[in-house]
Amino acid sequence: QPVLTQPPSASGTPGQRVTVSCSGSGSNIGSNHVYWYQQLPGTAPKLLIYKNIQRPSGVPDRFSGSKSGPSASLAISGLRSDDEADYYCAAWDDSLSGYVFGTGTKVTVL
Amino acid sequence: QVQLQESGPGLVQPSETLSLTCTVSGVSINNYYWSWIRQPPGRGLEWIGYIYYTGSTNYNPSLTSRLTLSVDTSKNQFSLRLRSVTAADTAVYYCARHPTYDSRAFDIWGQGTMVTVSS
Repeated sequence: QPVLTQPPSASGTPGQRVTVSCSGSGSNIGSNHVYWYQQLPGTAPKLLIYKNIQRPSGVPDRFSGSKSGPSASLAISGLRSDDEADYYCAAWDDSLSGYVFGTGTKVTVL
Repeated sequence: QVQLQESGPGLVQPSETLSLTCTVSGVSINNYYWSWIRQPPGRGLEWIGYIYYTGSTNYNPSLTSRLTLSVDTSKNQFSLRLRSVTAADTAVYYCARHPTYDSRAFDIWGQGTMVTVSS
């Protein structure tokens, strides 16, 4: 059962900036790094952000992450139609001694 | 190019054991952590557990009593066994790698394999 809370949906028009929030607690986001994954329809998730703000090679700088206390956010600037996907946050949870994922946010490009 | 490929039965009977294998190509399984993650139809992701190439493991507390992960370095594979399955275990099962630059990320994923628990 996910312990990180995300809004179920977010949307924007092409070129706009969209943000996705992720709310956790002191045992996960509050004391560990946050990760973001993009899941295009019918495909496996892809790592977008690691260690709160870092982008793996090949991920465009339109994607950016931030963290403050027990919460984190993913921002997508210059929204494109191929950004339509489900986005998940994740973090290690010290209380559970395991990884926890967010509930997921479906981003729609209008 | 690093690739992961899940394999195993697509249908498992209730109360039986679900067994999957992840075959790693393009890199040695040594010196990495490897995880299993699942996703029930239309729902979110759930971490199952990870294994190090040495065989040390860490399981999701909700699955510990039914789960066994193992590794075969000679075949560059790692495996999952989940006992006493129910319909709630129906999901797409992914295997994934933890990169050396950040052992808590999942940087390479398999394509996933759908497992249905049904009689």
